[in-house]
Formats: sequence, structure tokens, C-alpha cells
Amino acid sequence: GQQLNQSPQSMFIQEGEDVSMNCTSSSIFNTWLWYKQDPGEGPVLLIALYKAGELTSNGRLTAQFGITRKDSFLNISASIPSDVGIYFCAGQRDSGYALNFGKGTSLLVTP
Amino acid sequence: DADVTQTPRNRITKTGKRIMLECSQTKGHDRMYWYRQDPGLGLRLIYYSFDVKDINKGEISDGYSVSRQAQAKFSLSLESAIPNQTALYFCATSDSRGAFFGQGTRLTVV
Repeated sequence: GQQLNQSPQSMFIQEGEDVSMNCTSSSIFNTWLWYKQDPGEGPVLLIALYKAGELTSNGRLTAQFGITRKDSFLNISASIPSDVGIYFCAGQRDSGYALNFGKGTSLLVTP
Repeated sequence: DADVTQTPRNRITKTGKRIMLECSQTKGHDRMYWYRQDPGLGLRLIYYSFDVKDINKGEISDGYSVSRQAQAKFSLSLESAIPNQTALYFCATSDSRGAFFGQGTRLTVV
């Protein structure tokens, strides 16, 4: 499958700080998704992006579908301790293909 | 009740044993997937199925097999378990909005 490069691999920040992470692909995707995984749980869908250039928010989270269709960004504003977890990007070329996942960004937030 | 249910949640098995992990969904999705998660490696696709008659290998299918018994059921089998198959396994379903995951099965092969 297509390789997704997600960075950074981990982040250790203080409560209140903003967070940015990104995902790049060697291939064009038509769908980008961002997930969060809490310890001991399955990943949960945060934001879905379906169009190049699209900017979508979900509370303090904002994600963008890059105009080249080979990248996507997730920003978290004013982080809080419950933001701790692993964030995954996922891309899909089109409906005939399975989702490909990045390796995840582990986020730690200190009070 | 969870939309995607995996059983068992935890399992310890011995090397060489056959084991089946089961997944059922109430979301009515045609597409189902099995992923494996290892620390630092993210989610790697084992097998996926786009409908009951469709089975496709993912990037790490060796040592695994699957069965799509019905639209709602997709099981993963390890024919002869080995220690490096110790991992967290996730089943997922998807539609046009994205993929939705079960709570995972933690498998340990000793």
C-alpha cells in the first residue's frame, strides 16, 4: 500500500500550548482522515476531509486537506490533559482502495 | 452496545495453536478490515473485504487467513500462532465517511 509519513513521532507539551502534526504521502489521496486512540481503546474518528484545500474544525481541532492531495495537517489549540493519546492520519486513494494509516503521533500533555 | 464488537478482548495462546478472532458489526457496512498494531509501527492492514464475496490481502497477510461469513461478520485466523504475532488486533468497518474501529483484541503468543 501507499506509505504515509506522519510527524512528529511524539510530542511532549504543556497544557495550553497549541499542537501541530502532519502527514505526507507519496501518492495522491482523495480522502484524509484523522483519528485519536486512547490507551486500551480503538481509534476514534476525529475529522474527515474529502476535498483538496478543505479546512474543517471539530472543537479545538482543525484539519486541512493539502492542495497537492499528498498531505494533511492537524492542529489542536489550547491543549488539555485529556488530549493525551496517539493521533493517526489515514488516507484513501478512492473507494476501491483500503485506508492506509500513518505510524501515529504520541501526544503527552502536562498540567 | 458497540457498533463494532471484537471477541475475545484478550487472549493468551501457545505457539503452534490455531486461534480465531471474531468481529461483528451493526453498522450495516459492506467493508470490513483487520489491522494489527505494534508499538511504533502504527496500524498495518492484514486483510480487507469490500463485500461478502470479496477478500483481499493487505500488506502483512502471511500467517493469517480470514472468513467473511456474512455482511456483519469477519473473522481472522492464525493457523499456527507464533510469538511475533503477539500484538493488538483491530477490526474496522467503513463507509464513505470513514472507518470505525472495534475495541481491539490483545493477543499474546507464548
